[in-house]
Amino acid sequence: QKEVEQDPGPLSVPEGAIVSLNCTYSNSAFQYFMWYRQYSRKGPELLMYTYSSGNKEDGRFTAQVDKSSKYISLFIRDSQPSDSATYLCAMSAGYGQNFVFGPGTRLSVLP
Amino acid sequence: DAGVTQSPTHLIKTRGQQVTLRCSPISGHKSVSWYQQVLGQGPQFIFQYYEKEERGRGNFPDRFSARQFPNYSSELNVNALLLGDSALYLCASSLVGSSTDTQYFGPGTRLTVL
Repeated sequence: QKEVEQDPGPLSVPEGAIVSLNCTYSNSAFQYFMWYRQYSRKGPELLMYTYSSGNKEDGRFTAQVDKSSKYISLFIRDSQPSDSATYLCAMSAGYGQNFVFGPGTRLSVLP
Repeated sequence: DAGVTQSPTHLIKTRGQQVTLRCSPISGHKSVSWYQQVLGQGPQFIFQYYEKEERGRGNFPDRFSARQFPNYSSELNVNALLLGDSALYLCASSLVGSSTDTQYFGPGTRLTVL
């Protein structure tokens, strides 16, 4: 079993849809959780950062962490074609920046 | 302000050769991390350096080495290249390299090993 698993996609949605992206993990020591967006031929860009369980909202993006279920989610409201990218979850047990990334979900938002 | 820069952009090598990849962090950032991203997968942590000292190392063989210079730029060296080393190599910088510190990624160096 991989340490971090993610819905592989690809995922195609119409413009304006609500998108749900999910990751599960096995290491109960993880306490820092991040979502990155990666456009083709670019490096990942940090979208959301959460610590421990709970919800965090930033504009059209909401991140949820459920440590009891070892499950994290990213919701995108009113999705736009510019949201088309690969979304990576990442997590850390708190030792420097040894982040463990999921394999990524490729999202296409169709106009 | 300039972001994280990496050179070269692309590189083609043959098996058994050695390669050096370079990274310049954002001005004021003292920590640099290196990741390997194989096509279709997420980045995998290789090294983290802070103030020229190795702070963390991922599960990579000794053929991989790195260093950080006094100006906080960094080099990643890979010896005795294997076909499986073909990947996008990403450099990320942050202010002090803690887990709560935002990492900013460069565009990567795409290495192809033939």
